[in-house]
Amino acid sequence: EVQLVESGGGLVQPGGSLRLSCAASGFTFNTYGMTWVRQSPGKGLEWVSSISASGDSTYYVDSVEGRFTISRDNSKNTLLLQMNSLRAEDTAVYYCARPIESLRVMTAILYWGQGAPVTVSS
Amino acid sequence: EIVLTQSPDFQSVTPKEKVTITCRASQNIGSSLHWYQQKADQSPNLLIKYASQSISGVPSRFSGSGSGTDFNLTISSLEAEDAATYFCHQSRSLPLTFGGGTKVKIK
Repeated sequence: EVQLVESGGGLVQPGGSLRLSCAASGFTFNTYGMTWVRQSPGKGLEWVSSISASGDSTYYVDSVEGRFTISRDNSKNTLLLQMNSLRAEDTAVYYCARPIESLRVMTAILYWGQGAPVTVSS
Repeated sequence: EIVLTQSPDFQSVTPKEKVTITCRASQNIGSSLHWYQQKADQSPNLLIKYASQSISGVPSRFSGSGSGTDFNLTISSLEAEDAATYFCHQSRSLPLTFGGGTKVKIK
């Protein structure tokens, strides 16, 4: 059974930092690109960032480019999102997500974690 | 950036009624369009991939159609458990984008 378990969410002041982790299990982690998607309270879904299976290629939405860093540790089956210079508009539930096809990030998302809530407020 | 526009924003529907949700892309995305269901306080769940391809375990009352810029999600006979928000999603180009969602309520 595929499982994606996020951790690291919480309350942080504007300008602060937070690191999200996603522990993956139930599939061969190093053969799948991975993605972070966020959802602001009562709002729709927004793609944040993706990373290739090897970790060599990373992609970001413009609003987080230069502030967020996606990475992965394939030896520990873990996906990470380092979030710096956080803003109020980054407040959201952050989902770790696995695509339906291996070796691709530009495809449908089949598996989602339960979400990690991040609140940026003073 | 490819913008996805869903309609309607909200729909109140009687059980057993047919439901159609539309998603329009701002440019041609071929068949790179996927549909998700999100129930209250839950993570999204993939219903349809690549416009019309079914997903294992998803009830057959859910179907998708369309290509290019215009897409539909159809629920052939609504059940009470289908109360949720439905989102479309394009994977044709980065940034990946989602529609604004259609909330379906049961009358």
